[in-house]
Amino acid sequence: ETGVTQTPRHLVMGMTNKKSLKCEQHLGHNAMYWYKQSAKKPLELMFVYSLEERVENNSVPSRFSPECPNSSHLFLHLHTLQPEDSALYLCASSQHLLLESSYNEQFFGPGTRLTVL
Amino acid sequence: ILNVEQSPQSLHVQEGDSTNFTCSFPSSNFYALHWYRWETAKSPEALFVMTLNGDEKKKGRISATLNTKEGYSYLYIKGSQPEDSATYLCVHTSGTYKYIFGTGTRLKVLA
Repeated sequence: ETGVTQTPRHLVMGMTNKKSLKCEQHLGHNAMYWYKQSAKKPLELMFVYSLEERVENNSVPSRFSPECPNSSHLFLHLHTLQPEDSALYLCASSQHLLLESSYNEQFFGPGTRLTVL
Repeated sequence: ILNVEQSPQSLHVQEGDSTNFTCSFPSSNFYALHWYRWETAKSPEALFVMTLNGDEKKKGRISATLNTKEGYSYLYIKGSQPEDSATYLCVHTSGTYKYIFGTGTRLKVLA
């Protein structure tokens, strides 16, 4: 168990629905991340939070809206998604932002498999 | 454009065989190179973090080397076992939240 949990594990939604993905970490980390993995593509970093403040937004469409209410929880709110948004969404956390040593690794959740119809 | 390439994309080996994969990355703006092991339906698990040219890391039957001048890292698995079946990801770090993932090498070890 990595200490990072994600719910739900699977989600099917229509293009007009609003849903939220939840991530929770029990590791006492200060940084949290959302990643997207589309089929046959590498993981893409979407958002980064450090001490509950967003520090990076990699040109992600506004139909994805992150929220970090405290250092243990991270949400990704979804609305009016497109079928091409179907992907695996992974959450991760780390003690600090700069992953330059074995003392600061990223710990990943198991992901949410999202299908947009 | 910063690209991280992994080869092969997939491979099948027999139980007991040794195998290795390659991760290629641009040699400029290098901070660290990470290797992850990712089993289906589970979370990616960190294997190694390497920062210095010439670094060699080992964990059980798995080891990794790093060449930052030429921009590559090798991951070796000695005496592969069925439980080694997974996707192996490498990640290049070039700064704060500058993480570029490879597409991974999918390993299947046949019993």
